[in-house]
Amino acid sequence: DIQMTQSPSTLSASVGDRVTITCRASQSISSWLAWYQQKPGKAPKLLIYKASSLESGVPSRFSGSGSGTEFTLTISSLQPDDFATYYCQQYNSYSLTFGGGTKVEIK
Amino acid sequence: EVQLVESGGGLVKPGGSLRLSCAASGFTFSSYSMNWVRQAPGKGLEWVSSISSSSSYIYYADSVKGRFTISRDNAKNSLYLQMNSLRAEDTAVYYCARDISSGSYFDYWGQGTLVTVSS
Repeated sequence: DIQMTQSPSTLSASVGDRVTITCRASQSISSWLAWYQQKPGKAPKLLIYKASSLESGVPSRFSGSGSGTEFTLTISSLQPDDFATYYCQQYNSYSLTFGGGTKVEIK
Repeated sequence: EVQLVESGGGLVKPGGSLRLSCAASGFTFSSYSMNWVRQAPGKGLEWVSSISSSSSYIYYADSVKGRFTISRDNAKNSLYLQMNSLRAEDTAVYYCARDISSGSYFDYWGQGTLVTVSS
């Protein structure tokens, strides 16, 4: 199975900060990577697919980049609604696997 | 509007069985692959199982293979997960999720149903 490693596991930031989360795959997954946002008690919400494609309705302050084994999710200017946990997911092959998550907290 | 509504969760003893259901609406259910994804309390997301639109292709995580069975009824717009030989480590919120194409990312999720395995 392909292992997905996210860093950091927790991130403290302020409103207006630029935030970057990294996801590394244990082998190449081309661009078959998605990012999700999850708030407490809620289902995950799709943000980015195919590494850099923004899901419809998602604010443009979210962006994704990378290919192969290294990927990043960037929030250009953190908003109060963005404090949540973020997960990457590879869909290059079964078993589909998620990263361990990055919790973005208020500094 | 796409809606996925899970049901069937609850408290079950180790070794017991439970059947989860997911009722889909707002899209052509028979055209999409569907999945179950779980989340143990305070933990991350774990993909459990996938089923293709016509049930031709089925996949399971190693952690549930041989114990869980995914199925669907396209006439009833419903997805199911039969869970047998349940263990404490199966305790989680179980989400059904639509994927945009077989073996892909998940564009819609249900609200989840909690399964607790405890004596």
